[in-house]
Amino acid sequence: NAGVTQTPKFRVLKTGQSMTLLCAQDMNHEYMYWYRQDPGMGLRLIHYSVGEGTTAKGEVPDGYNVSRLKKQNFLLGLESAAPSQTSVYFCGTQGAGWSYNEQFFGPGTRLTVL
Amino acid sequence: QKEVEQDPGPLSVPEGAIVSLNCTYSNSAFQYFMWYRQYSRKGPELLMYTYSSGNKEDGRFTAQVDKSSKYISLFIRDSQPSDSATYLCAMDSSYKLIFGSGTRLLVRP
Repeated sequence: NAGVTQTPKFRVLKTGQSMTLLCAQDMNHEYMYWYRQDPGMGLRLIHYSVGEGTTAKGEVPDGYNVSRLKKQNFLLGLESAAPSQTSVYFCGTQGAGWSYNEQFFGPGTRLTVL
Repeated sequence: QKEVEQDPGPLSVPEGAIVSLNCTYSNSAFQYFMWYRQYSRKGPELLMYTYSSGNKEDGRFTAQVDKSSKYISLFIRDSQPSDSATYLCAMDSSYKLIFGSGTRLLVRP
């Protein structure tokens, strides 16, 4: 039982390059989230999904796209990376029924855009 | 104005002290209030959550919500060096969480 895993753990990109971050969960959770965390800013919601095949915009969606083709995976894409997207990205999951006892975060992906 | 405000600290206390961490918020529709602990270079982990106003206790931790003042607190009794971390408050808004910026706590041995 791995819980929530994120791939990759670290990445350095050049401006304009693209990449995809993968969040995988093995808890059969309905809700999945992508956050970014910057110094002094807490966690800000980028996109989220309330179930397989659904996605919705969060607080800071510009420059990112997401897909949830399988219930256990939530992908975050950067089409053309910018230095402003240098951040730590966290994936979060939550079980159906919105039980706070069933809420977990992944270990994070550290992304640097040069 | 941010929806959730939290003093970034850092807050430095001696071992054994009582720690008080606080957040204020502006949206009166928030119903669930959470506290997370985040160690350096790790993901946040849920410490406690409270529904509506009142207190909730779990071991050395007590969460308090005052909806009339739009103010929440987390108290840590008998603080330990292992409590050194960043503490984030968060509030539920239609199946999404709105986070404070986090308070960095250092408990000195």
